[in-house]
Formats: sequence, C-alpha cells, structure tokens
Amino acid sequence: NAGVTQTPKFQVLKTGQSMTLQCAQDMNHNSMYWYRQDPGMGLRLIYYSASEGTTDKGEVPNGYNVSRLNKREFSLRLESAAPSQTSVYFCASSDLRGGNTIYFGEGSWLTVV
Amino acid sequence: GENVEQHPSTLSVQEGDSAVIKCTYSDSASNYFPWYKQELGKGPQLIIDIRSNVGEKKDQRIAVTLNKTAKHFSLHITETQPEDSAVYFCAASKGGNQGGKLIFGQGTELSVKP
Repeated sequence: NAGVTQTPKFQVLKTGQSMTLQCAQDMNHNSMYWYRQDPGMGLRLIYYSASEGTTDKGEVPNGYNVSRLNKREFSLRLESAAPSQTSVYFCASSDLRGGNTIYFGEGSWLTVV
Repeated sequence: GENVEQHPSTLSVQEGDSAVIKCTYSDSASNYFPWYKQELGKGPQLIIDIRSNVGEKKDQRIAVTLNKTAKHFSLHITETQPEDSAVYFCAASKGGNQGGKLIFGQGTELSVKP
C-alpha cells in the first residue's frame, strides 16, 4: 500500500527555471493538497483540490499552479522558480468518509539557486 | 483567517517523564484539531485528533485535551521513550469539506534523553 507518492524527492533548480512536482494517491481519496514546509513556520497550504475537477488557493498560492489530472493525481507547477520557493513540499490526501484524516507523502526537497 | 500558535518550540525531557505541548487557535469556527508527528526526512503522520464535541481523548500514552472556550488544546505524552523524539505539529480546521485545509502551528521539537 503506497499511500501518497511524490516525485521527485530532491531537485535543484536555477532561478527562472520551471518544474512540476508530481503526486499520486492510491487510497481513492477525493481531496488532495500541496503544502510547503519552511523552518520555524510549520506547514502552509499552497493549493488544494476538494474533488476531481476543482482546485482552490490556500494560504500561499503565489508563484504556483496546480492540476488535478484525475482522482489519483495532483501536480504542482513552478513556472519561474525563485529562491524564496526553496522549501520542502508535501502532497497530501484525505476523504470525508475517513473523518478527514490527512495522509502525507514523504516530501520533495526543492532548492532554487 | 485562522492562526495557530504552538509552544514551546523545543522541549527536552528525561525518559519516563511526561511532555506537554500547547496550542491556541483564533477562529472559533474551527472544530477539528489533529496532532502530527514528523520524524527526520519523513512526512507528518497523524498521531491523534480531537473534534469540538469532545473535551479529551486518549490513546495509550498519548492524550489530547480541548478547551473551546479558551480556544486552546494540548498534547500530553506520558512515560516518554527515546522513540518519541521528533517534531510535533498541532493543526486546526473547520472540518467537513474544509477538513484538509489545516492551519498548522510552528512545531515543537521534542527530545527524549535516555
């Protein structure tokens, strides 16, 4: 049972480059999320998708775009990476039927130089 | 919007002692309060949660208390063990279809010394 799978695990980008973080869940959850984690700031919600076909902004959406490709997959795109986007990114999923317990992936470490 | 404050930022205890981590929240509409444990290099894992219709919940050595009037909730770990060493995060949300829109505290790094 893989749960929530993110790729890549590590990535170094140059300022201005673009990239997409991929996320897939195998728990048949309706809702998926992208969070970023920075030292001393906990986890902050970037974007979420309450159900297939919908996406909404979270606390810190600027500089990011998302795509809910299907029920399983939710990708996060950085169109023009900036050093301020150096962070650890976590994908997560949940389902109302599961009492909204959120399951996180293992994280993607992104460095923008 | 919701704001969650967590204290302390670091906590060091001797093995066998108890550890308490406290959080306050600002939005009285929040009704779901999970606690996550994050080990180095891993994603956060849910260890216990509480909903606003309950004042206390226990699971073996872990308990969470909620005071809705004061808008604060706490994590209690008894008989701590070295494997409890990790970063702990509290969070709050309005539940329902907003359940995944968690607002997290800043985290507490717990160190349990053998």
